[in-house]
Amino acid sequence: DGGITQSPKYLFRKEGQNVTLSCEQNLNHDAMYWYRQDPGQGLRLIYYSQIVNDFQKGDIAEGYSVSREKKESFPLTVTSAQKNPTAFYLCASSMGFEGYTFGSGTRLTVV
Amino acid sequence: AQTVTQSQPEMSVQEAETVTLSCTYDTSESNYYLFWYKQPPSRQMILVIRQEAYKQQNATENRFSVNFQKAAKSFSLKISDSQLGDTAMYFCAFPRGGSEKLVFGKGTKLTVNP
Repeated sequence: DGGITQSPKYLFRKEGQNVTLSCEQNLNHDAMYWYRQDPGQGLRLIYYSQIVNDFQKGDIAEGYSVSREKKESFPLTVTSAQKNPTAFYLCASSMGFEGYTFGSGTRLTVV
Repeated sequence: AQTVTQSQPEMSVQEAETVTLSCTYDTSESNYYLFWYKQPPSRQMILVIRQEAYKQQNATENRFSVNFQKAAKSFSLKISDSQLGDTAMYFCAFPRGGSEKLVFGKGTKLTVNP
């Protein structure tokens, strides 16, 4: 079955450390997205990519970086510049205006 | 700026009753799509229903239906015969700038009581 796989499910980051969240899809979707979810804030767009080797900043890109070297993969790196990284991160993909397919999310906690 | 507003942070309903969740949005686009997503306690986001703005007929998916008022920019979700499994956060979403990127409301937490 086609879908989106996010890993790990839980991730712990020490102060000053970079961490990378994985997102892989086998839906043959062109567009992929990263959202951050905080209590009471809904989902906020971090980065998105519409084609391979191209991506754009969303509303809260500071302290994050991405790459899109393959159509199937869109990893997100949370850098040490992100001062408040504790949140739930959701990856999604889409093709046209059918709506998003989401991964199961990664819970990132600073320790 | 394109925004999506869900004015009810929390709602509760008794099992088997009907509940309506509100959503309003702001856009200058004339042709677009609107979505409702469900996020149960597992936190997996699930597409509930999709509405095409150029269609006058309201979308329906089993017990879920929408009341789409294009002039009023309103897109409410009605859940009939509520079930315990409907307990979840519900998010209204709307594409920004005619693209596929979605902007989400802050969500409504729905609790279905036995």
